[in-house]
Amino acid sequence: EAGVAQSPRYKIIEKRQSVAFWCNPISGHATLYWYQQILGQGPKLLIQFQNNGVVDDSQLPKDRFSAERLKGVDSTLKIQPAKLEDSAVYLCASSFTGTYEAFFGQGTRLTVV
Amino acid sequence: AQSVTQLDSQVPVFEEAPVELRCNYSSSVSVYLFWYVQYPNQGLQLLLKYLSGSTLVKGINGFEAEFNKSQTSFHLRKPSVHISDTAEYFCAVSEVNTGFQKLVFGTGTRLLVSP
Repeated sequence: EAGVAQSPRYKIIEKRQSVAFWCNPISGHATLYWYQQILGQGPKLLIQFQNNGVVDDSQLPKDRFSAERLKGVDSTLKIQPAKLEDSAVYLCASSFTGTYEAFFGQGTRLTVV
Repeated sequence: AQSVTQLDSQVPVFEEAPVELRCNYSSSVSVYLFWYVQYPNQGLQLLLKYLSGSTLVKGINGFEAEFNKSQTSFHLRKPSVHISDTAEYFCAVSEVNTGFQKLVFGTGTRLLVSP
């Protein structure tokens, strides 16, 4: 069974530039999550989708972060403009609806310089 | 709102020794509990979960955890560790019966296994 796919694996950008991350969840998983993991901390939920609808985006910095899941499958997370404090690993996860087991991708490591 | 405390940021242990990684949580509602492992440059992998039933939960790779409601704890244990267990371990909670899983993670414990 294919896992959660994320790209790119690594990205280095200058502050004030924009960046986008892509996630392809496990086939059949209606629920998709984006987490931000800052070095030395646990992952923090940014946004959660159920199919193509947003369930929870209470911790998403909406002035600079945006995410979409137009067809209820793939998702993109965008940062514009990036700040130094956005340097982190961005993890995508997915799960079947109503289950309590999320499967995580390998993440995208973002460095903002 | 829930919170998770992992008091030990790093736990060094020798190979074949037992280990316990501590996790305490705070919540005003019932929660589900999870332990995830993260190997270097990898995503998180579920080790085990407590949803209901027996408070002693067995997971993959020989790990187990015990849910203690009165002490609001969910400590992770392994009787004999291997070098390959070196990784970051995260405890997480999720509110019961919301219909969707919203994990709140602790800050993690780095397990360092040496020969």
